Amino acid sequence: AQTVTQSQPEMSVQEAETVTLSCTYDTSESNYYLFWYKQPPSRQMILVIRQEAYKQQNATENRFSVNFQKAAKSFSLKISDSQLGDTAMYFCAFLLEDDKIIFGKGTRLHILP
Amino acid sequence: DAGVTQSPTHLIKTRGQQVTLRCSPKSGHDTVSWYQQALGQGPQFIFQYYEEEERQRGNFPDRFSGHQFPNYSSELNVNALLLGDSALYLCASSFGYSSYNEQFFGPGTRLTVL
Repeated sequence: AQTVTQSQPEMSVQEAETVTLSCTYDTSESNYYLFWYKQPPSRQMILVIRQEAYKQQNATENRFSVNFQKAAKSFSLKISDSQLGDTAMYFCAFLLEDDKIIFGKGTRLHILP
Repeated sequence: DAGVTQSPTHLIKTRGQQVTLRCSPKSGHDTVSWYQQALGQGPQFIFQYYEEEERQRGNFPDRFSGHQFPNYSSELNVNALLLGDSALYLCASSFGYSSYNEQFFGPGTRLTVL
């Protein structure tokens, strides 16, 4: 079965600090995509970053970067210089080719002023 | 560009009733996917529509059905509502039939079943 596990239900950090959200997944396939989505209180799910499993280089989007360890099936998200607007639920997700997206249960992140 | 829109925003129904939720995709998108997000959980895939046909389906009973119209908008219908159907229902649109294409999400419809 394809599963995504986020072991941190909730986290709090001070503004401007760096925070890392953990994610592990399980699949026997070799080709897939991994995602981090952000869901603020407005409920709109927003794609933060995407990683193709066949690429060894970790994806980066401005203050957001990932640490992708394929052998360990680990896909953590690092947020640098955190901002108040980063407060949200963060979901790790993956999908196989021509299949459905599978989400984890999420990590609630609070950025404190 | 209005992005993905969903209606209504909130809905309250009683057990046994039927409900229809609506979704308009982002301009230029032709594929619509529906997700159920229970409180405190991640979204779960219900089904996906492309070219007015259901292309993929998650582990949901036949009480959940859908439709896609020629203008690519979509409806989600749930019959014989159960208390457990209370959730946020998210619609996502993308271009072309490929899960690798980025999905853009709407703000969701909050359904409460009493």
